Amino acid sequence: AQSVTQLGSHVSVSEGALVLLRCNYSSSVPPYLFWYVQYPNQGLQLLLKYTSAATLVKGINGFEAEFKKSETSFHLTKPSAHMSDAAEYFCAVSAGGTSYGKLTFGQGTILTVHP
Amino acid sequence: DAMVIQNPRYQVTQFGKPVTLSCSQTLNHNVMYWYQQKSSQAPKLLFHYYDKDFNNEADTPDNFQSRRPNTSFCFLDIRSPGLGDAAMYLCATSRGQGWETQYFGPGTRLLVL
Repeated sequence: AQSVTQLGSHVSVSEGALVLLRCNYSSSVPPYLFWYVQYPNQGLQLLLKYTSAATLVKGINGFEAEFKKSETSFHLTKPSAHMSDAAEYFCAVSAGGTSYGKLTFGQGTILTVHP
Repeated sequence: DAMVIQNPRYQVTQFGKPVTLSCSQTLNHNVMYWYQQKSSQAPKLLFHYYDKDFNNEADTPDNFQSRRPNTSFCFLDIRSPGLGDAAMYLCATSRGQGWETQYFGPGTRLLVL
């Protein structure tokens, strides 16, 4: 069984400040981990994913995440927030094998960026 | 551009009146997924097709059905919508392996009156 916990349903930062969105996972098999972003009334867009290669993963729009097995974490960071980063962010875990890529999502974190 | 298309973007139906949502893809992916996302919640997988093989999640109500007549199209049928079925319905596709990216459509927002 897999699960994802996102710490903090709302995060607020100032423009130019560091963005840190937290994600912890639980998985009985080596996980594949994803961060998706969702803008209002739109579908989900992949930011980045971890697939057991490099533990530091770089994504689109300046985001990156680090897989830490010892901490079962996959936190999302961006050095300098931009107003356009305001959105909801979902962390998700997938197992291999015959799961056909079934994603289990966290509850989401709404990021607000203040001028 | 290759993409996942959902129609309509907004759908209004009446309590108990059957409704069908559609999804099409130009990615030629093996797997198509349907997710339900209620307000301020995470997307929840309802079912998926791997090619023609249908896989229902254990907690998906019988009221929800799906059809995949060919690789490109997949439909979500809600036989008797209730007020609690009002949500955003997201279609996604992937090649099917655990590490593969799922590509999402823009979603259909369903309102039940």
